[in-house]
Amino acid sequence: ELKVEQNPLFLSMQEGKNYTIYCNYSTTSDRLYWYRQDPGKSLESLFVLLSNGAVKQEGRLMASLDTKARLSTLHITAAVHDLSATYFCAVDTLNYGQNFVFGPGTRLSVLP
Amino acid sequence: GAGVSQSPSNKVTEKGKDVELRCDPISGHTALYWYRQSLGQGLEFLIYFQGNSAPDKSGLPSDRFSAERTGGSVSTLTIQRTQQEDSAVYLCASSFAEFGGQETQYFGPGTRLLVL
Repeated sequence: ELKVEQNPLFLSMQEGKNYTIYCNYSTTSDRLYWYRQDPGKSLESLFVLLSNGAVKQEGRLMASLDTKARLSTLHITAAVHDLSATYFCAVDTLNYGQNFVFGPGTRLSVLP
Repeated sequence: GAGVSQSPSNKVTEKGKDVELRCDPISGHTALYWYRQSLGQGLEFLIYFQGNSAPDKSGLPSDRFSAERTGGSVSTLTIQRTQQEDSAVYLCASSFAEFGGQETQYFGPGTRLLVL
């Protein structure tokens, strides 16, 4: 059974600081997704990582995938308050979502 | 242009009733996805359509759940004989490409279902 873990689950950081959110999964996969959710809102797709060593960047967020370590990271650079949200990773081990599992989410608060 | 829309936005029903949830994807998007989010189970993938076809329905929680898509556009998620554990926010998303591709998924605002 595929398990997806994230840590930390809660993160409070000050503006301007850097931090990394980790996503570990239990079964070999080369498909990993990151999403953002603002309180009371729907999901927003951030990144799709489809191969070992894939790196994607958008603004202050950078995601990477190490399929050998079964690990993805979401790095936040010089955080700003607008980044406060819950971040989810999700892993798909078989096509068509047959085994598509979300992590529990990391709730990020960026304090002014 | 218009984004993904879902209706109703909120639905309160009594245990045992049937409900239909509707999703209108972005025009031209061939792929459509259903998810749900609940306090107890977190985010769960339910089903994916490529065109009108759902290659795998094993993500649906039980045989009370069914989904269809017609004309490569609108999709309906039907829950029969609702139970309290079906209470959740049901999210729909669409994208240009098939599942597992590079294309971004665009999410609707969700339908909040409460089963009393």
